[in-house]
Amino acid sequence: KNQVEQSPQSLIILEGKNCTLQCNYTVSPFSNLRWYKQDTGRGPVSLTIMTFSENTKSNGRYTATLDADTKQSSLHITASQLSDSASYICVVTPTDSWGKLQFGAGTQVVVTP
Amino acid sequence: GAGVSQTPSNKVTEKGKYVELRCDPISGHTALYWYRQSLGQGPEFLIYFQGTGAADDSGLPNDRFFAVRPEGSVSTLKIQRTERGDSAVYLCASSQEGGGPYNEQFFGPGTRLTVL
Repeated sequence: KNQVEQSPQSLIILEGKNCTLQCNYTVSPFSNLRWYKQDTGRGPVSLTIMTFSENTKSNGRYTATLDADTKQSSLHITASQLSDSASYICVVTPTDSWGKLQFGAGTQVVVTP
Repeated sequence: GAGVSQTPSNKVTEKGKYVELRCDPISGHTALYWYRQSLGQGPEFLIYFQGTGAADDSGLPNDRFFAVRPEGSVSTLKIQRTERGDSAVYLCASSQEGGGPYNEQFFGPGTRLTVL
């Protein structure tokens, strides 16, 4: 069973609107949790990173939250733009095997005009 | 310098053939990682190197898969007797000296492998 689950699988939003993506994980113990953005045909690019002791991190219009007690994270996109259309992947780094990142399946976001 | 590069960008082969996928990491990065990404899924760990040695190859699915990094820079992922199930995007990533849990992995664009 995948240790990182994301929802929804996909969503369509209108340009200018906000959206929130969810990530639930069972990886324990973990060192950090990242959100990556992956454009079609490209490799993932890191948006945010949070250690287990942090509960929020922003990068421009992207804001990630982390609740280590409930093992949940979210990524909020504010005032979406067409260029936000991509897959957003939640990635957890296990403490005991940091080279083996645990990836979620991603949420495919489509921003329409 | 330049980011992680991978060649070829696309590879189509026939079942049973041998393929090699190449990864050029960011200059100075000593940790290098290989992942496999199937359609609609997140990347799946295959192997990672610290320098020339494989620090963890537990993600390689079977003995048809092998990877090398002879000089601690460029890496080659080798797949023997390819099967249709090997079709996927193969991603390579690298991170700074020492790796570690807080070092960001920078990904290449991937090689799309199609086995007919």
